[in-house]
Amino acid sequence: GNSVTQMEGPVTLSEEAFLTINCTYTATGYPSLFWYVQYPGEGLQLLLKATKADDKGSNKGFEATYRKETTSFHLEKGSVQVSDSAVYFCALYSGGYQKVTFGIGTKLQVIP
Amino acid sequence: GAGVSQSPRYKVAKRGQDVALRCDPISGHVSLFWYQQALGQGPEFLTYFQNEAQLDKSGLPSDRFFAERPEGSVSTLKIQRTQQEDSAVYLCASSLDEARAYEQYFGPGTRLTVT
Repeated sequence: GNSVTQMEGPVTLSEEAFLTINCTYTATGYPSLFWYVQYPGEGLQLLLKATKADDKGSNKGFEATYRKETTSFHLEKGSVQVSDSAVYFCALYSGGYQKVTFGIGTKLQVIP
Repeated sequence: GAGVSQSPRYKVAKRGQDVALRCDPISGHVSLFWYQQALGQGPEFLTYFQNEAQLDKSGLPSDRFFAERPEGSVSTLKIQRTQQEDSAVYLCASSLDEARAYEQYFGPGTRLTVT
């Protein structure tokens, strides 16, 4: 079946540091890949997505590239802000009316 | 426009009680999903509706869990005889249609605590 593995947190960074959160996946076919973000007290929000190999999703300074050869979709940001503190979930969707499969989430804390 | 709303936001139930959790999807969204998110975990799929039809209920953990969407809009997730292991955040999500099921909009969730 489908699965998503992402690095466990928490990740604590100073403001303006570089962020990488690793994500790898196992899926049949050619899934679409996502990063969702959950800010404290709020619901999940779609952060970015990539629907085919070599696509790069980007939003709010975050980027992730769909790497089929390494089955990875690592999240990066060049300079994090305190407001980026949240839990980040890597996820995949493999088509039809299949559900989205989520990783366990990585908590990011950015300190001033 | 309005997003996905869920009620109640918090629910405390004594073990053995029945609970009902409500989801109001985005107006016009055909597809509706329920997920269970245990503390420190990612959301786990429970069930999926397309309009009023429940097309996948493979994630429901036991026959104590039941979901319905009788008119193809509002959905209710019911848990009978709640157990402590049912404590979790229950998330509802909707998408425009099956073709865009990858683009799901999530509600804020209902945090259920069973004591």
